Amino acid sequence: DAGVTQSPTHLIKTRGQQVTLRCSPKSGHDTVSWYQQALGQGPQFIFQYYEEEERQRGNFPDRFSGHQFPNYSSELNVNALLLGDSALYLCASSPRDRDEETQYFGPGTRLLVL
Amino acid sequence: GEDVEQSLFLSVREGDSSVINCTYTDSSSTYLYWYKQEPGAGLQLLTYIFSNMDMKQDQRLTVLLNKKDKHLSLRIADTQTGDSAIYFCAEDRGSTLGRLYFGRGTQLTVWP
Repeated sequence: DAGVTQSPTHLIKTRGQQVTLRCSPKSGHDTVSWYQQALGQGPQFIFQYYEEEERQRGNFPDRFSGHQFPNYSSELNVNALLLGDSALYLCASSPRDRDEETQYFGPGTRLLVL
Repeated sequence: GEDVEQSLFLSVREGDSSVINCTYTDSSSTYLYWYKQEPGAGLQLLTYIFSNMDMKQDQRLTVLLNKKDKHLSLRIADTQTGDSAIYFCAEDRGSTLGRLYFGRGTQLTVWP
């Protein structure tokens, strides 16, 4: 079991550009959540996808959008990048049913906006 | 307050016990979590506790939960240099959908 995987590992963009980050959930998981972790901060919830739809959303502008595919993998898109979007972007997957399993995080994509 | 609160730094000597404290915000939180983050890495789930429990022990880790004070602690016995990392406390605020709210993290440094 590969666990949660994310690509790319690192990315450098300039202000105004657009970026797409990718996530494959842990085997058996169908729900994907995205978090932004700025330097020195804890992760902040961006949004969550289930059954190919956005199920809940945190306090992030519409520049942040996502998608989930039939195989449960997900993309995070950020348009019109700002310097403040520089952060570690974490993907977490969880199963549909909440039993003793919980969210498992991927290694993250480190985005630097210049 | 609205934020999960943690002290930012903790230093201990190798072999001692470490205690990392957290104050969470929502008495309806069902699960409370401890995650570990090593430099340049993602989050590793260390342990979690269900809200109807007072204590959970898992090898060197002991989690204590005081629901009255909304206080959570993580004790690491026989702390090793490999335990040096940032430790995050997180709560779910009663959500059944898996959204987590994190503290800023506690940087644990273990000296040989």
